[in-house]
Amino acid sequence: TQLLEQSPQFLSIQEGENLTVYCNSSSVFSSLQWYRQEPGEGPVLLVTVVTGGEVKKLKRLTFQFGDARKDSSLHITAAQPGDTGLYLCAGVVGAQKLVFGQGTRLTINP
Amino acid sequence: EAGVAQSPRYKIIEKRQSVAFWCNPISGHATLYWYQQILGQGPKLLIQFQNNGVVDDSQLPKDRFSAERLKGVDSTLKIQPAKLEDSAVYLCASSFVSGKYNEQFFGPGTRLTVL
Repeated sequence: TQLLEQSPQFLSIQEGENLTVYCNSSSVFSSLQWYRQEPGEGPVLLVTVVTGGEVKKLKRLTFQFGDARKDSSLHITAAQPGDTGLYLCAGVVGAQKLVFGQGTRLTINP
Repeated sequence: EAGVAQSPRYKIIEKRQSVAFWCNPISGHATLYWYQQILGQGPKLLIQFQNNGVVDDSQLPKDRFSAERLKGVDSTLKIQPAKLEDSAVYLCASSFVSGKYNEQFFGPGTRLTVL
């Protein structure tokens, strides 16, 4: 069974601070995705990382895939209240199956 | 482009009752997924369809859960009889059958409360 562990599970910080969320597994994934989910809505894809060591940036969000394709991190610079939400990492198994971590609930306080 | 539609948005039932959820995927998406998301956890895949065939139902509790996708478009997920531990958000997602990067588009979910 392939499992993804996210840490921390909860994070509450002040606007303007930086933060990093981690996603770890003992399994290798062909690629890894990060989603954000807001209350009452389904997850929305933020990014897919494919190559070991890959780094992708999405405005103030930086995503990194570990060299061995077993772990990933999400770094947010100068967090804003609009970044509040549940962040989910998901490992891609085979061609189309996703295995999700338990999520990190992020709260940015004004 | 219309997103994934789900109904109802909320449902409250008593244990041992039956319930059904409906999903309409994005037009043209061949692959459809049903996930269960228990409070405080990430989504867990219950069943995956490609067109109207089942690709993966290894985590579907088949003694009480069933799903169908007639004509390869809409899908229904049924629970009969419901247990307290079935309280969760049931998410439907769809995707193109394309390459190795699987972008799934999720609906808003149905929040089920079993009393």
